[in-house]
Amino acid sequence: EIVLTQSPGTLSLSPGERATLSCRASQSVSSSYLAWYQQKPGQAPRLLIYAASSRATGIPDRFSGSGSGTDFTLTIIRLEPEDFAVYYCQHYGSSAPMLTFGGGTKVEIK
Amino acid sequence: EVQLLESGGGLVQPGGSLRLSCAASGFTFSSYAMSWVRQAPGKGLQWVSSITASGRATFYADSVKGRFTISRDNSKNTLYLQMNSLRAEDTAVYYCAKNPSSGSYEFADYWGQGTLATVSS
Repeated sequence: EIVLTQSPGTLSLSPGERATLSCRASQSVSSSYLAWYQQKPGQAPRLLIYAASSRATGIPDRFSGSGSGTDFTLTIIRLEPEDFAVYYCQHYGSSAPMLTFGGGTKVEIK
Repeated sequence: EVQLLESGGGLVQPGGSLRLSCAASGFTFSSYAMSWVRQAPGKGLQWVSSITASGRATFYADSVKGRFTISRDNSKNTLYLQMNSLRAEDTAVYYCAKNPSSGSYEFADYWGQGTLATVSS
């Protein structure tokens, strides 16, 4: 079973700054199967990035994903007030568990 | 506009049962695989189960296998999760989620707002 480790646990930044979030897989995974979600308090997760670097419908271009193998990154350039939230990476595997999530990174206002 | 509306959550005693429903609209429900993902209070996301567009194939997390059953009624645009032999550790918000195509589960592109299931005596 693949384990996804996200770091840091919490990122304290100011609006306008750049956020760099890390997701490390316990073994090499296909970038086709790596996604990122945003979740705000009391809300459902929202898909941001799929296939490691493809933005989902309606996602602003200040969000970008990159990486391959075991190391993946979500970058948010110029944080907007609405970007302060928890971010999860997720991997799809062909056998159970089909979807594996990382523990999340909270991006909070400094 | 894609909409997913969960219902059926509530308080149940350990060993009891709940049936969650997810009413879908805004897309051709019968053409997409669907999933359930849960989130325990203050915790992260955990995949629970997925089902193909036709309903012929189902998949479960080890933690719920044999206790939960996913199903769908494409004539009613509705997804279900029958939860039996519930345990305290099943307490969570359960999200219904749409997958990107009929037989692929690489990610969940739309999510409902969730329904809370609480297992407690």
